[in-house]
Amino acid sequence: DAKTTQPPSMDCAEGRAANLPCNHSTISGNEYVYWYRQIHSQGPQYIIHGLKNNETNEMASLIITEDRKSSTLILPHATLRDTAVYYCIVRVGSGGSNYKLTFGKGTLLTVNP
Amino acid sequence: KAGVTQTPRYLIKTRGQQVTLSCSPISGHRSVSWYQQTPGQGLQFLFEYFSETQRNKGNFPGRFSGRQFSNSRSEMNVSTLELGDSALYLCASSLWTSGNEQYFGPGTRLTVT
Repeated sequence: DAKTTQPPSMDCAEGRAANLPCNHSTISGNEYVYWYRQIHSQGPQYIIHGLKNNETNEMASLIITEDRKSSTLILPHATLRDTAVYYCIVRVGSGGSNYKLTFGKGTLLTVNP
Repeated sequence: KAGVTQTPRYLIKTRGQQVTLSCSPISGHRSVSWYQQTPGQGLQFLFEYFSETQRNKGNFPGRFSGRQFSNSRSEMNVSTLELGDSALYLCASSLWTSGNEQYFGPGTRLTVT
């Protein structure tokens, strides 16, 4: 699986958009970008994933650059409950033969009132 | 629909003992993966089970083992416990092997003294 690079920490004001970057310059053509988050003392929570097109769901939006070497997770209106460690992971998609989620150190997002 | 459940939530064991942790996946999910989380190493993949078969394995010693039952419930066992095995053990379930959306349980906090 390709390696990812994320900033160790970010701050965001409550109500504002949080934009979390991720670099994955060695991503392969069949690898997806996944985002998970982990709120303190809880298990990780799936947020969103994508291959090349931008994706949006009820939690967030995922913007992947055209060359797929980087992506941005956007929380449109951050709340205090969004304070968590956010993990960007690249991996072959569902049904891949070498399955595992490889978690890096992630980005600690702190949403301030 | 009930989420992933793990039992027990907390456990204290002594070096040299063995321990068995249990994970019940979301109803209908057939894949269960196990992860170890420590402050030093972060989240690390242990193994995945699908249809009672181990499909993938991380880089852990043979003291760590697991199994899956016909109802998809899974157990992991750690024999000859070491102090370094103290960690949060998380399981995650998905519909199929290598599922895109992994749903994590709250974890079992194991302390080895």
